[in-house]
Amino acid sequence: GENVEQHPSTLSVQEGDSAVIKCTYSDSASNYFPWYKQELGKGPQLIIDIRSNVGEKKDQRIAVTLNKTAKHFSLHITETQPEDSAVYFCAAGRSSGNTPLVFGKGTRLSVIA
Amino acid sequence: DGGITQSPKYLFRKEGQNVTLSCEQNLNHDAMYWYRQDPGQGLRLIYYSQIVNDFQKGDIAEGYSVSREKKESFPLTVTSAQKNPTAFYLCASSIGGRGSYEQYFGPGTRLTVT
Repeated sequence: GENVEQHPSTLSVQEGDSAVIKCTYSDSASNYFPWYKQELGKGPQLIIDIRSNVGEKKDQRIAVTLNKTAKHFSLHITETQPEDSAVYFCAAGRSSGNTPLVFGKGTRLSVIA
Repeated sequence: DGGITQSPKYLFRKEGQNVTLSCEQNLNHDAMYWYRQDPGQGLRLIYYSQIVNDFQKGDIAEGYSVSREKKESFPLTVTSAQKNPTAFYLCASSIGGRGSYEQYFGPGTRLTVT
């Protein structure tokens, strides 16, 4: 089955700097890769996702890149702000077949003002 | 206002009691999921259902049970057989059909068993 590894587990950056979180996956059939942001005491919220037919996707300060050959994908947050502080999860799944998403263990991002 | 609701937000039970966590969605999604979250463990799948009256075990189903009698509802029962039930429980739903469409999460229920 699919296995998703996420690094680092914790990340501290200065406000205005960039943050990068990396994930690797094992199942070459996975073709859908979402990222979620979870604030304290709340459920995760989908912030961006990418499908395997593209290599990069951007949404304002957030971007995700995908390298299918190496089976890894990354979340990039530029110009970080204190409200970016949260736990971020990556996940991997297939768009064919009824298999649920598999999640990484999360990265706790702290943006220091 | 569409979304996923979980109730209650906090739940306290004595050891040895069964407890049922509620999850309701009005997104007309076919698929629903239950996850358990512990510190440093990420999201672990307990059960999922791709369609009404059908569900499958996830990675950590032991000590839990579910039902899916209605499309909108997917309650989770934490039984007395679950050895370490204290955790944050998250319900999610997705359009379903063939594969991993976007999943949307509820606000979670924090269960404490003493």
